[in-house]
Amino acid sequence: DAKTTQPNSMESNEEEPVHLPCNHSTISGTDYIHWYRQLPSQGPEYVIHGLTSNVNNRMASLAIAEDRKSSTLILHRATLRDAAVYYCILRELNQGGKLIFGQGTELSVKP
Amino acid sequence: NAGVTQTPKFQVLKTGQSMTLQCAQDMNHEYMSWYRQDPGMGLRLIHYSVGAGITDQGEVPNGYNVSRSTTEDFPLRLLSAAPSQTSVYFCASTSWGVGGYTFGSGTRLTVV
Repeated sequence: DAKTTQPNSMESNEEEPVHLPCNHSTISGTDYIHWYRQLPSQGPEYVIHGLTSNVNNRMASLAIAEDRKSSTLILHRATLRDAAVYYCILRELNQGGKLIFGQGTELSVKP
Repeated sequence: NAGVTQTPKFQVLKTGQSMTLQCAQDMNHEYMSWYRQDPGMGLRLIHYSVGAGITDQGEVPNGYNVSRSTTEDFPLRLLSAAPSQTSVYFCASTSWGVGGYTFGSGTRLTVV
Protein backbone atom coordinates (compact mmCIF):
# COMPACT_ATOMS: atom_id res chain seq x y z
CA ASP A 1 0.00 0.00 0.00
CA ALA A 2 1.37 3.38 -0.98
CA LYS A 3 1.84 5.60 2.08
CA THR A 4 1.36 9.28 2.79
CA THR A 5 3.22 11.54 5.21
CA GLN A 6 1.61 14.57 6.83
CA PRO A 7 2.61 16.92 9.66
CA ASN A 8 1.01 15.94 12.95
CA SER A 9 -0.48 19.36 13.58
CA MET A 10 -0.84 22.84 12.15
CA GLU A 11 -2.25 26.12 13.36
CA SER A 12 -4.05 28.81 11.44
CA ASN A 13 -5.74 32.10 12.11
CA GLU A 14 -9.37 32.57 11.25
CA GLU A 15 -10.06 34.00 7.79
CA GLU A 16 -6.51 33.28 6.58
CA PRO A 17 -5.63 30.66 3.95
CA VAL A 18 -4.34 27.29 5.09
CA HIS A 19 -2.02 25.03 3.13
CA LEU A 20 -1.98 21.42 4.34
CA PRO A 21 0.90 19.42 2.81
CA CYS A 22 1.07 15.72 2.02
CA ASN A 23 3.98 13.65 0.72
CA HIS A 24 3.34 10.45 -1.22
CA SER A 25 6.62 9.59 -2.90
CA THR A 26 5.64 5.96 -3.69
CA ILE A 27 2.40 6.85 -5.46
CA SER A 28 1.57 4.71 -8.48
CA GLY A 29 0.17 5.95 -11.76
CA THR A 30 -3.39 4.80 -11.01
CA ASP A 31 -3.61 6.09 -7.42
CA TYR A 32 -5.99 8.97 -6.85
CA ILE A 33 -5.19 11.46 -4.10
CA HIS A 34 -8.09 11.81 -1.69
CA TRP A 35 -8.57 14.22 1.20
CA TYR A 36 -10.97 13.69 4.08
CA ARG A 37 -11.53 15.58 7.27
CA GLN A 38 -12.91 14.48 10.62
CA LEU A 39 -14.56 16.98 12.90
CA PRO A 40 -14.57 16.16 16.63
CA SER A 41 -16.87 13.26 17.51
CA GLN A 42 -17.97 12.77 13.88
CA GLY A 43 -17.23 10.38 11.07
CA PRO A 44 -14.80 11.36 8.30
CA GLU A 45 -16.10 13.64 5.57
CA TYR A 46 -14.91 13.59 1.95
CA VAL A 47 -13.29 16.87 0.92
CA ILE A 48 -11.74 16.52 -2.53
CA HIS A 49 -9.77 14.20 -4.79
CA GLY A 50 -7.58 14.40 -7.88
CA LEU A 51 -5.22 12.48 -10.15
CA THR A 52 -2.85 14.89 -11.90
CA SER A 53 -4.49 18.26 -12.38
CA ASN A 54 -5.34 20.77 -9.71
CA VAL A 55 -8.94 20.56 -8.52
CA ASN A 56 -11.35 23.04 -6.96
CA ASN A 57 -14.70 22.56 -5.25
CA ARG A 58 -16.84 24.47 -2.81
CA MET A 59 -14.88 23.20 0.18
CA ALA A 60 -11.26 23.46 -0.90
CA SER A 61 -8.63 23.31 -3.62
CA LEU A 62 -6.16 20.52 -4.27
CA ALA A 63 -2.77 21.34 -5.75
CA ILE A 64 -0.84 18.32 -7.08
CA ALA A 65 2.86 18.46 -7.82
CA GLU A 66 3.92 17.76 -11.37
CA ASP A 67 5.69 14.53 -10.34
CA ARG A 68 2.66 13.61 -8.16
CA LYS A 69 4.91 12.88 -5.18
CA SER A 70 3.25 15.55 -3.09
CA SER A 71 0.03 17.50 -2.87
CA THR A 72 -1.42 20.39 -0.89
CA LEU A 73 -4.95 20.91 0.35
CA ILE A 74 -5.82 24.59 0.36
CA LEU A 75 -8.55 26.10 2.51
CA HIS A 76 -8.93 29.61 1.15
CA ARG A 77 -10.34 31.25 4.28
CA ALA A 78 -10.20 29.17 7.43
CA THR A 79 -13.14 29.32 9.79
CA LEU A 80 -13.47 27.95 13.30
CA ARG A 81 -15.60 25.15 11.83
CA ASP A 82 -12.60 23.99 9.78
CA ALA A 83 -10.80 22.81 12.93
CA ALA A 84 -10.49 19.06 12.32
CA VAL A 85 -8.11 16.24 11.52
CA TYR A 86 -7.32 16.22 7.80
CA TYR A 87 -6.34 12.96 6.14
CA CYS A 88 -4.50 12.61 2.84
CA ILE A 89 -5.10 9.14 1.39
CA LEU A 90 -4.23 7.33 -1.80
CA ARG A 91 -7.21 5.45 -3.19
CA GLU A 92 -5.83 2.24 -4.66
CA LEU A 93 -8.04 1.40 -7.61
CA ASN A 94 -6.18 -1.81 -8.28
CA GLN A 95 -7.12 -3.18 -4.84
CA GLY A 96 -10.86 -2.62 -4.78
CA GLY A 97 -10.58 1.08 -4.12
CA LYS A 98 -10.01 0.65 -0.39
CA LEU A 99 -8.85 3.59 1.72
CA ILE A 100 -5.98 3.19 4.18
CA PHE A 101 -5.88 6.08 6.65
CA GLY A 102 -2.70 7.52 8.14
CA GLN A 103 -2.51 9.70 11.24
CA GLY A 104 -3.55 12.92 9.51
CA THR A 105 -2.91 16.56 10.39
CA GLU A 106 -4.78 18.13 13.27
CA LEU A 107 -5.66 21.67 12.24
CA SER A 108 -6.48 24.21 14.91
CA VAL A 109 -7.96 27.58 13.98
CA LYS A 110 -7.49 30.59 16.22
CA PRO A 111 -10.03 33.43 16.27
CA ASN B 1 -31.87 9.81 0.96
CA ALA B 2 -30.46 8.62 4.30
CA GLY B 3 -26.87 7.92 3.15
CA VAL B 4 -25.02 5.43 5.38
CA THR B 5 -26.96 4.34 8.47
CA GLN B 6 -25.26 2.57 11.37
CA THR B 7 -27.03 0.91 14.26
CA PRO B 8 -26.78 0.91 17.18
CA LYS B 9 -25.09 4.22 18.03
CA PHE B 10 -23.90 2.97 21.42
CA GLN B 11 -23.39 -0.52 22.81
CA VAL B 12 -21.90 -2.05 25.93
CA LEU B 13 -20.93 -5.72 25.81
CA LYS B 14 -19.50 -8.12 28.31
CA THR B 15 -16.34 -10.00 27.44
CA GLY B 16 -17.18 -13.08 25.42
CA GLN B 17 -20.52 -11.85 24.11
CA SER B 18 -21.19 -11.66 20.40
CA MET B 19 -23.05 -9.03 18.47
CA THR B 20 -23.63 -7.61 15.01
CA LEU B 21 -23.09 -3.98 14.04
CA GLN B 22 -25.45 -3.02 11.27
CA CYS B 23 -24.61 -0.85 8.26
CA ALA B 24 -27.01 0.05 5.47
CA GLN B 25 -26.72 2.45 2.54
CA ASP B 26 -29.39 3.58 0.11
CA MET B 27 -27.14 5.00 -2.62
CA ASN B 28 -26.66 1.73 -4.55
CA HIS B 29 -22.94 1.84 -3.79
CA GLU B 30 -20.85 -1.17 -4.72
CA TYR B 31 -17.96 -0.57 -2.30
CA MET B 32 -18.48 -0.80 1.46
CA SER B 33 -15.94 -0.84 4.27
CA TRP B 34 -15.69 -1.12 8.05
CA TYR B 35 -13.19 0.84 10.12
CA ARG B 36 -12.37 1.10 13.78
CA GLN B 37 -10.98 4.17 15.50
CA ASP B 38 -9.37 3.92 18.90
CA PRO B 39 -9.10 7.05 21.09
CA GLY B 40 -6.68 9.60 19.64
CA MET B 41 -5.86 7.38 16.69
CA GLY B 42 -6.59 7.26 12.99
CA LEU B 43 -9.00 4.86 11.32
CA ARG B 44 -7.96 1.29 10.62
CA LEU B 45 -9.62 -0.84 7.96
CA ILE B 46 -11.22 -4.05 9.26
CA HIS B 47 -12.97 -5.58 6.24
CA TYR B 48 -14.19 -4.32 2.92
CA SER B 49 -16.42 -5.43 0.06
CA VAL B 50 -16.45 -4.59 -3.65
CA GLY B 51 -19.92 -5.99 -4.25
CA ALA B 52 -22.55 -8.42 -3.06
CA GLY B 53 -20.98 -11.76 -2.25
CA ILE B 54 -17.41 -10.42 -2.28
CA THR B 55 -15.49 -9.47 0.86
CA ASP B 56 -11.84 -9.15 1.80
CA GLN B 57 -9.72 -8.47 4.87
CA GLY B 58 -8.28 -5.13 5.76
CA GLU B 59 -5.54 -4.19 8.22
CA VAL B 60 -7.11 -5.54 11.43
CA PRO B 61 -9.58 -8.35 10.58
CA ASN B 62 -9.01 -10.69 13.54
CA GLY B 63 -12.06 -11.14 15.75
CA TYR B 64 -14.49 -9.85 13.14
CA ASN B 65 -16.59 -11.47 10.41
CA VAL B 66 -18.48 -9.88 7.55
CA SER B 67 -20.79 -10.96 4.77
CA ARG B 68 -22.42 -9.06 1.93
CA SER B 69 -25.62 -10.74 0.78
CA THR B 70 -27.15 -7.55 -0.66
CA THR B 71 -25.79 -4.34 -2.14
CA GLU B 72 -27.41 -2.30 0.64
CA ASP B 73 -26.22 -4.08 3.79
CA PHE B 74 -22.79 -4.88 5.20
CA PRO B 75 -23.03 -6.16 8.79
CA LEU B 76 -19.97 -6.57 11.01
CA ARG B 77 -20.02 -9.46 13.50
CA LEU B 78 -17.97 -9.63 16.65
CA LEU B 79 -17.58 -13.29 17.44
CA SER B 80 -16.43 -13.12 21.07
CA ALA B 81 -16.01 -9.57 22.30
CA ALA B 82 -12.77 -8.58 24.04
CA PRO B 83 -11.86 -5.34 25.86
CA SER B 84 -9.35 -4.65 23.06
CA GLN B 85 -12.32 -4.23 20.72
CA THR B 86 -13.54 -1.19 22.62
CA SER B 87 -13.57 1.44 19.90
CA VAL B 88 -15.69 3.57 17.59
CA TYR B 89 -16.70 1.71 14.45
CA PHE B 90 -17.39 3.47 11.16
CA CYS B 91 -19.00 2.08 8.04
CA ALA B 92 -18.41 3.73 4.66
CA SER B 93 -19.56 3.28 1.08
CA THR B 94 -18.79 4.56 -2.39
CA SER B 95 -19.61 3.73 -5.98
CA TRP B 96 -17.45 2.34 -8.76
CA GLY B 97 -15.03 4.92 -10.01
CA VAL B 98 -12.84 7.34 -8.17
CA GLY B 99 -15.20 9.41 -6.06
CA GLY B 100 -15.20 9.92 -2.32
CA TYR B 101 -16.55 7.64 0.38
CA THR B 102 -19.60 8.49 2.47
CA PHE B 103 -19.20 7.59 6.14
CA GLY B 104 -21.80 6.71 8.72
CA SER B 105 -21.97 8.47 12.08
CA GLY B 106 -20.37 5.57 13.92
CA THR B 107 -21.10 2.99 16.63
CA ARG B 108 -19.39 3.52 19.98
CA LEU B 109 -18.69 0.07 21.45
CA THR B 110 -17.45 -0.60 24.97
CA VAL B 111 -16.46 -4.11 26.04
CA VAL B 112 -16.21 -4.65 29.79
